[in-house]
Amino acid sequence: GDSVTQMEGPVTLSEEAFLTINCTYTATGYPSLFWYVQYPGEGLQLLLKATKADDKGSNKGFEATYRKETTSFHLEKGSVQVSDSAVYFCALRGGGADGLTFGKGTHLIIQP
Amino acid sequence: GAGVSQSPSNKVTEKGKDVELRCDPISGHTALYWYRQSLGQGLEFLIYFQGNSAPDKSGLPSDRFSAERTGGSVSTLTIQRTQQEDSAVYLCASGVGPYNSPLHFGNGTRLTVT
Repeated sequence: GDSVTQMEGPVTLSEEAFLTINCTYTATGYPSLFWYVQYPGEGLQLLLKATKADDKGSNKGFEATYRKETTSFHLEKGSVQVSDSAVYFCALRGGGADGLTFGKGTHLIIQP
Repeated sequence: GAGVSQSPSNKVTEKGKDVELRCDPISGHTALYWYRQSLGQGLEFLIYFQGNSAPDKSGLPSDRFSAERTGGSVSTLTIQRTQQEDSAVYLCASGVGPYNSPLHFGNGTRLTVT
């Protein structure tokens, strides 16, 4: 079946550091890929998405590129802020299942 | 516009009691999902409704769990004879059909079974 693997945290960085959160997937067919973010005490919000190979999703300074050859969708940001502290989930949809298949989430902590 | 609304936001119940959790999806969204988020366990798919089709119940962990969706809109997740291991955040999401479309999540119901 479909699966998503992402680095587990917590990941602790200083403000203005460069961020990479790795995500790889296994799926049948041609899924769409998503990053969701969950701020403390809140629900999941869509951060960005990519629907086909080589697409780049971007939002709020975050970027991720759909790499079919490496089955990856790594999340990057050039300069993180304290307000980016949250849990980040990589997910896919449209592989073997109708819904979203999630990774376990990466807890990101940004220190001032 | 209104997003996905879930109620209650918090529920504390005694072991053995039944609970009902409610989800109001975004108007016009034909797909509705329930997920469970447990500490350290990530997001677990429970059940999926798509239009008038029979629901996909493959993620329900036991026969104590059931869900219905009335009129293709509001959904209720029912847990009978709650157990302590049912304590989690229950998330509802809605979306439209195409798989390149994201799902939109509510803020969840935090269930605590004492």
